[in-house]
Amino acid sequence: QKEVEQNSGPLSVPEGAIASLNCTYSDRGSQSFFWYRQYSGKSPELIMFIYSNGDKEDGRFTAQLNKASQYVSLLIRDSQPSDSATYLCAVRSTDKLIFGTGTRLQVFP
Amino acid sequence: GAVVSQHPSRVICKSGTSVKIECRSLDFQATTMFWYRQFPKQSLMLMATSNEGSKATYEQGVEKDKFLINHASLTLSTLTVTSAHPEDSSFYICSARALHRSSYNEQFFGPGTRLTVL
Repeated sequence: QKEVEQNSGPLSVPEGAIASLNCTYSDRGSQSFFWYRQYSGKSPELIMFIYSNGDKEDGRFTAQLNKASQYVSLLIRDSQPSDSATYLCAVRSTDKLIFGTGTRLQVFP
Repeated sequence: GAVVSQHPSRVICKSGTSVKIECRSLDFQATTMFWYRQFPKQSLMLMATSNEGSKATYEQGVEKDKFLINHASLTLSTLTVTSAHPEDSSFYICSARALHRSSYNEQFFGPGTRLTVL
């Protein structure tokens, strides 16, 4: 069974802090990795994808990938209350996306 | 670009009836569409993969006779929940993968359909 694991949270951070979200996956052959944000009652929206080891930055977001450790993370700098949502990690396995259960992030003023 | 719509956004039906949900890619052609189901406080679970012009591939444990999928064109896929029961109440989300995109299997999600079966 190919799995994607995330801490369900909630992760609470103050406004302006760095939020760090983590994800591990079991399929060592996975090639691409995605972070989605999902607000309550809404469908997921893509934040970033990453496929190479190392860091990938896009604005306040940085995705980090370590294939040897089967670990991918998302850093959110200068967290805002509007960032409060559930963050889903997804891993491409053959033709499908396998989703983690998500981490709920709460950014308090 | 890359907009996916779903209709209806919300539906309430009686037990035993059938419900059809439409998923459309509005500004691109989608060779593949995916149907997911999400129960409260759980993650998205893939139900089936739908390729235009061919039969859908269902995930283990998903009844193909209960969840009928049709992908008749490059911009439209439908999911019909037949003889719906209260346990089918869930958030159904489709996604579409564009015909000519190279962004590593990126999928574009529709806004979802909230199904409530009484």
